[in-house]
Amino acid sequence: EPEVTQTPSHQVTQMGQEVILRCVPISNHLYFYWYRQILGQKVEFLVSFYNNEISEKSEIFDDQFSVERPDGSNFTLKIRSTKLEDSAMYFCASSAFDGGPYGYTFGSGTRLTVV
Amino acid sequence: DQQVKQNSPSLSVQEGRISILNCDYTNSMFDYFLWYKKYPAEGPTFLISISSIKDKNEDGRFTVFLNKSAKHLSLHIVPSQPGDSAVYFCAASHSGTYKYIFGTGTRLKVLA
Repeated sequence: EPEVTQTPSHQVTQMGQEVILRCVPISNHLYFYWYRQILGQKVEFLVSFYNNEISEKSEIFDDQFSVERPDGSNFTLKIRSTKLEDSAMYFCASSAFDGGPYGYTFGSGTRLTVV
Repeated sequence: DQQVKQNSPSLSVQEGRISILNCDYTNSMFDYFLWYKKYPAEGPTFLISISSIKDKNEDGRFTVFLNKSAKHLSLHIVPSQPGDSAVYFCAASHSGTYKYIFGTGTRLKVLA
């Protein structure tokens, strides 16, 4: 079954450093998303991406965050200057349709630890 | 602003019995609702969905009920199996947005 692949599975970084989280969505999907889950809290929407541009973003997704689809297969989330509160599980997801009843396929997540 | 709420953080059920997971929402604009299951160290997995034009959707052992007037939905699993033990998230969206709003999750434990 097709899956969304995320690398690395765990990233430890110093506060203030830049990190790039990588995702390979399912090949024929057109819509891409990043969500995060701070430990013990709910899964929060960060950003959606379609047709090579951001289609929607949350308040969390401030100027420190950016997304890119540098080639036909990868979808990356960059945090420019990490803060302690950025520590969370980051989930990439993709879908063939724009939400609705079909849901997303999520990756296994990247655990980001900012020290 | 918690638009989607799962008020029970955990639930234990005996194998073979029914599991009922509940979810409440506040935004009357929501018209699609999904349930996801999440195992440790994995991403959420889509389980079942329902649109606001229906009040019930069934898929094997899983049934989702939607009560629009009460802004409440529930997921029924019958019969429950030990492999169903996971965290279950409900999520909601409305037409015109790309994002889903997730609840905080309910940890289901099915006891053998």
